[in-house]
Amino acid sequence: SQTIHQWPATLVQPVGSPLSLECTVEGTSNPNLYWYRQAAGRGLQLLFYSVGIGQISSEVPQNLSASRPQDRQFILSSKKLLLSDSGFYLCAWSSRGQGYWPQHFGDGTRLSIL
Amino acid sequence: DQQVKQNSPSLSVQEGRISILNCDYTNSMFDYFLWYKKYPAEGPTFLISISSIKDKNEDGRFTVFLNKSAKHLSLHIVPSQPGDSAVYFCAASGGYSGAGSYQLTFGKGTKLSVIP
Repeated sequence: SQTIHQWPATLVQPVGSPLSLECTVEGTSNPNLYWYRQAAGRGLQLLFYSVGIGQISSEVPQNLSASRPQDRQFILSSKKLLLSDSGFYLCAWSSRGQGYWPQHFGDGTRLSIL
Repeated sequence: DQQVKQNSPSLSVQEGRISILNCDYTNSMFDYFLWYKKYPAEGPTFLISISSIKDKNEDGRFTVFLNKSAKHLSLHIVPSQPGDSAVYFCAASGGYSGAGSYQLTFGKGTKLSVIP
């Protein structure tokens, strides 16, 4: 069966520090990968998605970037965190191919910026 | 502009009875709808989905109904169990991006409490 792992589960970082959140998927090949964020009091917002290694699409211009160095690895990064980057970050995967396939989520990283 | 709305922030139901969670959307381009369940400190878990060519999809105790003319969908849980207590999110998508990827637009969730 397929599983998705995110780490760390919780992170507290000072303003201006760098960020690296990692997500890996097991049990499937060539997945579509997604990064979402939920800010306090708001719904989930898509940040990035990837349909293959090195292929990243950004939905929201911001202080963050994403990379996909391997087929089942998705990384969310920032060079300098802002207070507004606080939130709950979720990685998701879906099968690739024609038609819709459900997105499956990891357990998320709660990021607090001090 | 909130394109997917879950107007009830919370719902309480007796164990064994039916739970009905509602969701409204405004974007007529949405053609795929999903329901997720979320426990505290965990990510959303996929429950059930429906495409716009159907008006009903059933999976065990869970049934999703879609009324395209009203832009409304609902999730029925029968019978409700205490383990169903969680936050339920409605999500919708309106078209592929590349290689079958797509963006989900989420509602803000409804907290379901099933009382033993």
